[in-house]
Amino acid sequence: GQNIDQPTEMTATEGAIVQINCTYQTSGFNGLFWYQQHAGEAPTFLSYNVLDGLEEKGRFSSFLSRSKGYSYLLLKELQMKDSASYLCAVLDSNYQLIWGAGTKLIIKP
Amino acid sequence: GAVVSQHPSRVICKSGTSVKIECRSLDFQATTMFWYRQFPKKSLMLMATSNEGSKATYEQGVEKDKFLINHASLTLSTLTVTSAHPEDSSFYICSARDSRRDHSEQYFGPGTRLTVT
Repeated sequence: GQNIDQPTEMTATEGAIVQINCTYQTSGFNGLFWYQQHAGEAPTFLSYNVLDGLEEKGRFSSFLSRSKGYSYLLLKELQMKDSASYLCAVLDSNYQLIWGAGTKLIIKP
Repeated sequence: GAVVSQHPSRVICKSGTSVKIECRSLDFQATTMFWYRQFPKKSLMLMATSNEGSKATYEQGVEKDKFLINHASLTLSTLTVTSAHPEDSSFYICSARDSRRDHSEQYFGPGTRLTVT
């Protein structure tokens, strides 16, 4: 079966750095997405990785290793507004998005 | 660019009635739109894939006669929840894929919170 694993919840301090991991087992791979979702709102796009390596976009970076079925989202200089759920999703061989359950990130002052 | 709107944002209806939710891509064409359902503190659950001009593809366990999907144009898909029951209360989110783009990023609408009393 297809499976995406990410931690349920993480806590970090304002101004610090946090890394959210995602491992996947899917039938085929056509890219991995990270989305941010605030409570009661729809997800918003953060990043897309299809090749191995690190993609940096401001305070957020995303890393992919296809051979390990592994990705992480790195958030630097954390701000209170970064408190949200972070969803990892993989595009499988049928171009269907397979979603992880999301990681709830709690930022403390 | 790549804005998706959803209407209504919130709706309360009585048991047994039907509710229609609209999803529109405002500044791009979307041959494919997706309908998701999300329960509190749970991940997104894909209900169906809507293709312009053809029948929607429903995920296993989703009743197509209960959740009617129409994708009549390249910018509009509708989801009608028929004979709604309290267990249909949920957050419904649509997304659209830009036909012109290479990778398959989905742009999400703001969601519709349905409460059935």
